[in-house]
Amino acid sequence: QQQVKQSPQSLIVQKGGISIINCAYENTAFDYFPWYQQFPGKGPALLIAIRPDVSEKKEGRFTISFNKSAKQFSLHIMDSQPGDSATYFCAAIQNQAGTALIFGKGTTLSVSS
Amino acid sequence: ETGVTQTPRHLVMGMTNKKSLKCEQHLGHNAMYWYKQSAKKPLELMFVYNFKEQTENNSVPSRFSPECPNSSHLFLHLHTLQPEDSALYLCASSPIAGADTQYFGPGTRLTVL
Repeated sequence: QQQVKQSPQSLIVQKGGISIINCAYENTAFDYFPWYQQFPGKGPALLIAIRPDVSEKKEGRFTISFNKSAKQFSLHIMDSQPGDSATYFCAAIQNQAGTALIFGKGTTLSVSS
Repeated sequence: ETGVTQTPRHLVMGMTNKKSLKCEQHLGHNAMYWYKQSAKKPLELMFVYNFKEQTENNSVPSRFSPECPNSSHLFLHLHTLQPEDSALYLCASSPIAGADTQYFGPGTRLTVL
């Protein structure tokens, strides 16, 4: 019930391609869905986030697509660049419920030049 | 200093040693978190503190002992660790527990010999 399932575990994309990472959740009380990006030697940092009242949010080359009925959301990275190579974590939380973010297991993205 | 800082960045210890990890946040937040990041369980929540009070302990072994003397500082005291405790230990903070965005430090890379 509290899990967030993320796939794929790893992803290799050519420069200029589209990277797609998927997540699924069970708890319908979740009301905030962020994506975190982590570079080697650094802690995760918030990349982009969405609330369930919208189906899509775009910030630059990064887009979250949200399907409330299917309880799924995904991160799309357009025109992927070598600098996007990092580990990406999806997460979910029931805002103000006093608990921590529930993270997926992460996806290691490698963008080849 | 800005954001969330952690010291030391790297630590090597024997199984009989006692050491402490330190986390400090300069964001004026009231909630702080410890996570363990390893290859097997990428972001494993250990403890949550809200206004200096522990609100969550995810069945962490007693060889890990957290301390939160004030809202800006968080410690993780380590004793008689096992080699499988080797991992990256991440600290995070948020305005209150359950806030939708957490800010992570760079982590302490711990190796237990």
